[in-house]
Amino acid sequence: EVQLVESGGGLVKPGGSLRLSCAASGFTFSSYSMNWVRQAPGKGLEWVSSISSSSSYIYYADSVKGRFTISRDNAKNSLYLQMNSLRAEDTAVYYCARETIFTYYFDYWGQGTLVTVSS
Amino acid sequence: EIVLTQSPATLSLSPGERATLSCRASQSVSSYLAWYQQKPGQAPRLLIYDASNRATGIPARFSGSGSGTDFTLTISSLEPEDFAVYYCQQRSYTFGQGTKLEIK
Repeated sequence: EVQLVESGGGLVKPGGSLRLSCAASGFTFSSYSMNWVRQAPGKGLEWVSSISSSSSYIYYADSVKGRFTISRDNAKNSLYLQMNSLRAEDTAVYYCARETIFTYYFDYWGQGTLVTVSS
Repeated sequence: EIVLTQSPATLSLSPGERATLSCRASQSVSSYLAWYQQKPGQAPRLLIYDASNRATGIPARFSGSGSGTDFTLTISSLEPEDFAVYYCQQRSYTFGQGTKLEIK
């Protein structure tokens, strides 16, 4: 069974940093591109970042470019999101999502981890 | 950047009725469009990919159509569990703003 479990969320002050993790199991992690998608309270889905299976290709939404860094460790079946210079508007539930091979859509999602940026 | 616009923002229908949700792209995305369903407190679930292909385990009452810039998600006969928010997504990953399907 495919499982994605996010962790690392919490309360952080504006300007602070946080590192999210996503532990994957039930599939060959190293074969899939992975993504982070966020959802602000009461709002819609916003794609944040994507990383290819071997980390060769990395993409970011304009809203986080230069502040967030996506990475992965295929030996540990883990995906990460390093978030720096956090702003109030980064407050959201952050989901990791598996991208079906050679496509653009996300067939499995974690349950999400809440990041709150507030003083 | 391709922008996806969903309509209506809210759709009020009764169980058993037919639901038609629209997603319009600011420029052609060919058939590279997916639909997701999200219920309160849950992660999104993939329903449709490549405009018209149902994902694994998705009931036949869900169907997708369209290409280029105009796409439609149709639910042929609403079940109580279908009331949720629906999002479209295009190949550059961005999502539409969502359509809330609520019980009338």
